Amino acid sequence: DTGVSQDPRHKITKRGQNVTFRCDPISEHNRLYWYRQTLGQGPEFLTYFQNEAQLEKSRLLSDRFSAERPKGSFSTLEIQRTEQGDSAMYLCASNKQGLPYEQYFGPGTRLTVT
Amino acid sequence: QKEVEQNSGPLSVPEGAIASLNCTYSDRGSQSFFWYRQYSGKSPELIMFIYSNGDKEDGRFTAQLNKASQYVSLLIRDSQPSDSATYLCAARPDTGTASKLTFGTGTRLQVTL
Repeated sequence: DTGVSQDPRHKITKRGQNVTFRCDPISEHNRLYWYRQTLGQGPEFLTYFQNEAQLEKSRLLSDRFSAERPKGSFSTLEIQRTEQGDSAMYLCASNKQGLPYEQYFGPGTRLTVT
Repeated sequence: QKEVEQNSGPLSVPEGAIASLNCTYSDRGSQSFFWYRQYSGKSPELIMFIYSNGDKEDGRFTAQLNKASQYVSLLIRDSQPSDSATYLCAARPDTGTASKLTFGTGTRLQVTL
């Protein structure tokens, strides 16, 4: 499988718990993105990495959210003290340098906070 | 005003007809545009990208870009029931470095038998 993979695919958690998601990009892609999508909306940008460096973070990314890409390969997104408003599909995408910069998405992790 | 706007639909077209999906954007710095298809409960799948004014064709799909009017469209010829999905338009500023995509809310397409 040469696509973007994400784990887990589904996560149900209780409010206040911490959760962590993993994303493995396409192997030759050095750029990795996290987006969040809620019902009826398009994906919203959260953050992105070039290699191991986190180069941009959205204002949507509160201090309860943290993302890492320690060796420039896979990335993790952690949400601390989850709230019901965090329920969404968390999407990871990757691309490589050079035009046209098209991004390829993984299958997503659906988070439900009860 | 949203940065990327799409009519949420649903847009209903009969099988075999041409489906026309439209998108406008407000940021004149946007240079590259992408169309993604998203089936219910699934992640977005890239269909086409365009960054030059004019038309770009790929099989049954044609993307059209008019930067002066800040308008992007996607035409689907010979629409099939399997084309029924939400189509997302995304814009990306061409800064020479990687950057985020800004998505519209998507247009739901229904292809009827």
